[in-house]
Amino acid sequence: NAGVMQNPRHLVRRRGQEARLRCSPMKGHSHVYWYRQLPEEGLKFMVYLQKENIIDESGMPKERFSAEFPKEGPSILRIQQVVRGDSAAYFCASSPPSLRFNSGNTIYFGEGSWLTVV
Amino acid sequence: QKEVEQDPGPLSVPEGAIVSLNCTYSNSAFQYFMWYRQYSRKGPELLMYTYSSGNKEDGRFTAQVDKSSKYISLFIRDSQPSDSATYLCAGGQAGTALIFGKGTTLSVSS
Repeated sequence: NAGVMQNPRHLVRRRGQEARLRCSPMKGHSHVYWYRQLPEEGLKFMVYLQKENIIDESGMPKERFSAEFPKEGPSILRIQQVVRGDSAAYFCASSPPSLRFNSGNTIYFGEGSWLTVV
Repeated sequence: QKEVEQDPGPLSVPEGAIVSLNCTYSNSAFQYFMWYRQYSRKGPELLMYTYSSGNKEDGRFTAQVDKSSKYISLFIRDSQPSDSATYLCAGGQAGTALIFGKGTTLSVSS
């Protein structure tokens, strides 16, 4: 049973370019969460999506950032016109529609995508 | 006030010690609480989760939640060098994303 898959694992972009990070949730999971982690800081929530719907984007910067989770295919976090401050690790997590802690159905993370802006 | 507060450490202990990691939270609506372990340059790995107040034990790990004081703890018995990592606590409620503390860096020396 494959876990949460993120790609690319490492991405280098020049200032002003676009970055696209992809996340395929675990099998059976239809909810996806994106987090950003800066050096020496914890995970900061960005956006929570289910297929074809954004549930909560309260942590997403108002400009340059967008996220989608289409009916088919992976969830995508898109950063337009990247700046040096966007350099960070971006983590995706997934969960089933209803959390069932007793059966171990909970929230799992991918290995992350490391974005470096030069 | 941040929703989840966690002392970043670093915390250094000798092998075999009992480790206590703690968090406080401010959101009374939190229903479930998680502990993740993160090694350098890796994704967070789920360690323990609890729903509402109480204790949960899994091998060398015990998670405690006290909702009356909004306090979350993780205890590690017989700590090993392989336990050296950053430990992240988080709280959440139905229909929302997990909110994380900053993480505590633990170093266990042999």
